[in-house]
Amino acid sequence: KAGVTQTPRYLIKTRGQQVTLSCSPISGHRSVSWYQQTPGQGLQFLFEYFSETQRNKGNFPGRFSGRQFSNSRSEMNVSTLELGDSALYLCASSLGVGDVLYAGELFFGEGSRLTVL
Amino acid sequence: TQLLEQSPQFLSIQEGENLTVYCNSSSVFSSLQWYRQEPGEGPVLLVTVVTGGEVKKLKRLTFQFGDARKDSSLHITAAQPGDTGLYLCARPNSGYALNFGKGTSLLVTP
Repeated sequence: KAGVTQTPRYLIKTRGQQVTLSCSPISGHRSVSWYQQTPGQGLQFLFEYFSETQRNKGNFPGRFSGRQFSNSRSEMNVSTLELGDSALYLCASSLGVGDVLYAGELFFGEGSRLTVL
Repeated sequence: TQLLEQSPQFLSIQEGENLTVYCNSSSVFSSLQWYRQEPGEGPVLLVTVVTGGEVKKLKRLTFQFGDARKDSSLHITAAQPGDTGLYLCARPNSGYALNFGKGTSLLVTP
């Protein structure tokens, strides 16, 4: 089956601009999570959406937002970009149901690499 | 935030050597996952461990969950260049969010 698709793969923006990243999950998966990966901080959880509702949110400023559509596709937006937002943004999809204590498998996309100049 | 500490941070070895990487926390895990991320790709799940003392094997990779469920290790026997990558441990946080360690970057040279 097709994997998780993220677009664009690479993008360059300047400080103050905004950016929108897109994620298409695996067919049948209703949960989409977003993570930011940097060399210094590693992988950090941004937010998770399930059936168009934000179910969980990490410790990021309000400049980071997201949404999920009825077909489970998700977008995340970063406004007023800062140099420190340069990172690999990873989207992960999962079924999103079942016992949360035994986390099901996350399927990651290849990421969108954002560079802020 | 429930931190996961991974060690070593970097590891460079030659083909055929054995290695062990570690994942530790001060608090108990309900479960723990190990992922491998290759350059230019997203992480891929290797294994999930849920029972204290559990040992799982995946070909040349052996995963162990500590008895107290506060630590885990990954042992690779006879490493190959194809094992090169970033090894990440992760635990459930809130809901379906995962907390990841910062990873062990492994380089295996021929």
